Amino acid sequence: GAVVSQHPSWVICKSGTSVKIECRSLDFQATTMFWYRQFPKQSLMLMATSNEGSKATYEQGVEKDKFLINHASLTLSTLTVTSAHPEDSSFYICSASLSGGGTDTQYFGPGTRLTVL
Amino acid sequence: DQQVKQNSPSLSVQEGRISILNCDYTNSMFDYFLWYKKYPAEGPTFLISISSIKDKNEDGRFTVFLNKSAKHLSLHIVPSQPGDSAVYFCAASDRGSRLTFGEGTQLTVNP
Repeated sequence: GAVVSQHPSWVICKSGTSVKIECRSLDFQATTMFWYRQFPKQSLMLMATSNEGSKATYEQGVEKDKFLINHASLTLSTLTVTSAHPEDSSFYICSASLSGGGTDTQYFGPGTRLTVL
Repeated sequence: DQQVKQNSPSLSVQEGRISILNCDYTNSMFDYFLWYKKYPAEGPTFLISISSIKDKNEDGRFTVFLNKSAKHLSLHIVPSQPGDSAVYFCAASDRGSRLTFGEGTQLTVNP
């Protein structure tokens, strides 16, 4: 089946530093990848949609300069949280959509737990 | 503005019984609905979906019902098994791949 990995699975950093999270589709090519964040006991909130080779589309209220997304290849997208602050602490999940797939062919990674001290 | 709502944060059922998870939505543009299952510290796993042109879709023990006039859908699991214990998310899409998720319902199936 389609597998999506994320690295790291958890990270702790100091306030003001930047953190990079990688999302990889291991056995398929993904033209579109999505980044979500989830606060405890809340729903997954879509942050941005990234398409390979083009700029990401950010959801309303998401700071594009703070959450940098790069989708350099069909198997890799990265999310960089710049100048992280404690309020950025959250569970970040990516998903990858199979090329030409419908809505139900979006495969999720295991998530990355970010804690900013 | 929460467009997809799961009003029950938790549900507990006995093994072998039916589990019914509910979801309401407000956006009439949603035309595709999905249910995902999620274990702690893992990403969601797709379970079952339904198009707005249908009112029922069945896959094994899982059945999703859609009531468009009430903007309501439900997931039925029967018979429920202890391994079904997880958080279940309802999600909706409006003519594309962008998903809007509900808050999730923690299902606990007791042996």
